[in-house]
Amino acid sequence: AQTVTQSQPEMSVQEAETVTLSCTYDTSESDYYLFWYKQPPSRQMILVIRQEAYKQQNATENRFSVNFQKAAKSFSLKISDSQLGDAAMYFCAYRRGGGATNKLIFGTGTLLAVQP
Amino acid sequence: GAVVSQHPSWVICKSGTSVKIECRSLDFQATTMFWYRQFPKQSLMLMATSNEGSKATYEQGVEKDKFLINHASLTLSTLTVTSAHPEDSSFYICSALGRSPLHFGNGTRLTVT
Repeated sequence: AQTVTQSQPEMSVQEAETVTLSCTYDTSESDYYLFWYKQPPSRQMILVIRQEAYKQQNATENRFSVNFQKAAKSFSLKISDSQLGDAAMYFCAYRRGGGATNKLIFGTGTLLAVQP
Repeated sequence: GAVVSQHPSWVICKSGTSVKIECRSLDFQATTMFWYRQFPKQSLMLMATSNEGSKATYEQGVEKDKFLINHASLTLSTLTVTSAHPEDSSFYICSALGRSPLHFGNGTRLTVT
């Protein structure tokens, strides 16, 4: 069975600084997708970034980028120039390929605090 | 604006009663909807996958007779918590798949007294 592990329950970063959130996963599949979701206090789930396993290039979305190490099964999220609005719970998620109807498997989350 | 509407956003009910939560896709047809449960400071745990016009697929350990899921149309799925108990108090979130990316509702906070 696929699992997603986030080893950092809480992280803190100073405003304007950079922070990296860790995520590892376990799967025997070769076709899969990885995601980072943000859940602010409003509890709304917001997609931050997505990575297709077949792509070697790391995904980037503005201040958010990932370090995808397929062999190591690692998928970390880097937030640059951190802003107060980045404070939230961040979930790493895995989805098997072969169809978007496959379920998302979430990690346990990392609570990010941004200090002014 | 929101593309998935979940209603109600919060509900308080008495033990033994049933509560229905609705999940609507507003501007797209959702062939598949997912229902998650989230306890405080914990992750989202998938309860079931709902496909329009067919029976929902429940995850292991989820009581299908307690958590009734109906996906009668391409824009609406409902989750009914039957004979609710205080341990059912939680945050329930739906997500709808009809186009990329997957969209989530705003969630429903259920408190059973």
